Amino acid sequence: DQQVKQNSPSLSVQEGRISILNCDYTNSMFDYFLWYKKYPAEGPTFLISISSIKDKNEDGRFTVFLNKSAKHLSLHIVPSQPGDSAVYFCAARPSDSGNTPLVFGKGTRLSVIA
Amino acid sequence: GAVVSQHPSRVICKSGTSVKIECRSLDFQATTMFWYRQFPKQSLMLMATSNEGSKATYEQGVEKDKFLINHASLTLSTLTVTSAHPEDSSFYICSARAPAGGLDNSPLHFGNGTRLTVT
Repeated sequence: DQQVKQNSPSLSVQEGRISILNCDYTNSMFDYFLWYKKYPAEGPTFLISISSIKDKNEDGRFTVFLNKSAKHLSLHIVPSQPGDSAVYFCAARPSDSGNTPLVFGKGTRLSVIA
Repeated sequence: GAVVSQHPSRVICKSGTSVKIECRSLDFQATTMFWYRQFPKQSLMLMATSNEGSKATYEQGVEKDKFLINHASLTLSTLTVTSAHPEDSSFYICSARAPAGGLDNSPLHFGNGTRLTVT
């Protein structure tokens, strides 16, 4: 039973346009959500996060939107750049004292075409 | 920022041998570290939670006798794959959370992973 779902395994976007990566979750106890970026043969790198008390968090070109009622979040990258090409993982967990591991989606491979 | 170092980055071993992977938090102390495994085109799957000074907590389906975890200090956790078989070939990644005090919503920081190939 997958608690965090990324239904699009891949996405191609033209350079300069907006990339939208989607993520759905099923566990209503999740209230902290993160996006990680991963290049081949490297560990994931933290990108941006959002807690359930917010519906939007923005950091430069990256914005994460959270719709708690729909159990859905999305990552917007604008403008997309070729260096953004990577696998993006959505992750979630309940807020706690720090000992609960993250649950990851399967990832979406983003290709930004110059 | 918080850094997690993982070593080695790549290892090839023969079937039946054991391999040790080290995970260090370089500029913070981590009472808890997490070990993940990733198969090609798959998600990061949690294997175990490593607790400093106590036994690791393994996820269902992960053999504790095969994947030995030792969290001997606040900055070092090791994963030993014992009697490795070709099906153990995978990408192993450790992670830790830099503490922020109290309720902690700081993100996990990951090592660069170890590509294990068992021949």
